[in-house]
Amino acid sequence: EAGVVQSPRYKIIEKKQPVAFWCNPISGHNTLYWYRQNLGQGPELLIRYENEEAVDDSQLPKDRFSAERLKGVDSTLKIQPAELGDSAVYLCASSLERGQPQHFGDGTRLSIL
Amino acid sequence: AQSVTQLDSHVSVSEGTPVLLRCNYSSSYSPSLFWYVQHPNKGLQLLLKYTSAATLVKGINGFEAEFKKSETSFHLTKPSAHMSDAAEYFCVFTGGGNKLTFGTGTQLKVEL
Repeated sequence: EAGVVQSPRYKIIEKKQPVAFWCNPISGHNTLYWYRQNLGQGPELLIRYENEEAVDDSQLPKDRFSAERLKGVDSTLKIQPAELGDSAVYLCASSLERGQPQHFGDGTRLSIL
Repeated sequence: AQSVTQLDSHVSVSEGTPVLLRCNYSSSYSPSLFWYVQHPNKGLQLLLKYTSAATLVKGINGFEAEFKKSETSFHLTKPSAHMSDAAEYFCVFTGGGNKLTFGTGTQLKVEL
């Protein structure tokens, strides 16, 4: 089966610019997650979707971050405007349903100049 | 508070020797625990999971972990390291809601 696909793999932008990441989960996986992984640390959950509904977005900085999962399949994560501290790897994961193992994509490495 | 602590940020072993990556957890109830591996510039791959069915859990690539409630530990082991095992390893805890809480990671280096 195809894994979780993320694009782009790398993104370099100047601060205050907008940026968007895209995630295509494994087919049939209802639960989708976005994580942020800072250098030398473990991933931290930003938002979790059950189908198209965001059920846990308590860690998402809502002043500049937004996410959507239209039709309960693909998802996008947006940052506007980006700040220097947003430099990190953004990981997407999906699971068949809540409680099942999560499968991760390779991530998008974001660098802010 | 529920959490996991990885006791070593870096571990270095020689190829063919045993691997031990240490993890302690803190939880007021029986947790679900996982070990994930992350190779450079890659996402995380599930090695194994503990969900109270058996205390000794076997995973992929020859890894296994033992849940010890008396020691609140879930250490990851492998009898013989291979060069391809060099990566970062995360001990992960989940409580209700399927939210994964990651440890800070252990970088495993395998030398010839």
